[in-house]
Amino acid sequence: SQTIHQWPATLVQPVGSPLSLECTVEGTSNPNLYWYRQAAGRGLQLLFYSVGIGQISSEVPQNLSASRPQDRQFILSSKKLLLSDSGFYLCAGTGTGGLADTQYFGPGTRLTVL
Amino acid sequence: GENVEQHPSTLSVQEGDSAVIKCTYSDSASNYFPWYKQELGKGPQLIIDIRSNVGEKKDQRIAVTLNKTAKHFSLHITETQPEDSAVYFCAALGDYKLSFGAGTTVTVRA
Repeated sequence: SQTIHQWPATLVQPVGSPLSLECTVEGTSNPNLYWYRQAAGRGLQLLFYSVGIGQISSEVPQNLSASRPQDRQFILSSKKLLLSDSGFYLCAGTGTGGLADTQYFGPGTRLTVL
Repeated sequence: GENVEQHPSTLSVQEGDSAVIKCTYSDSASNYFPWYKQELGKGPQLIIDIRSNVGEKKDQRIAVTLNKTAKHFSLHITETQPEDSAVYFCAALGDYKLSFGAGTTVTVRA
């Protein structure tokens, strides 16, 4: 079965500092990959998705970027964090074959920007 | 794009009673509808899903129904237990992307 790994689990960063969050996927190949952000007590906001290596689609214009250097690796980055970047960041990936529509989520990274 | 509305936003039920959450969607081309359960501080967990060629699906105490004509789908939890307390999200798939409802906070009172 598919497993999504994310790290770090929690992160506290000062405003203006860079960011790199990593997501890796086990148990599947050629998944679609997604980054979501969730503000406290709120729903899921899609930030980026990727249907293949080097292919990134952005849903929300902001100071974040994403990259997919390998089939099962998805990275979320920022050059300079803003206070508004605080939130719970979730990576998700799809299965294969009959589960190609199904998205599985990782455990999330709690980011606090001070 | 797809727009998913979810009701109610909060739901409190007595242990042992049933809970029902309803969602509507706008894009008639959507054909896959998952439900997720999210516990505090954790990632959402897929609990059940349904495709457009099926009207109902059950998994133990959980069931989902889909009405494609009316463009709505519902989650039913029977014999609720304290561990069912969580936030539940519905979603609809279109163009590689899931559109999520705003979530329902379910509290099961012992």
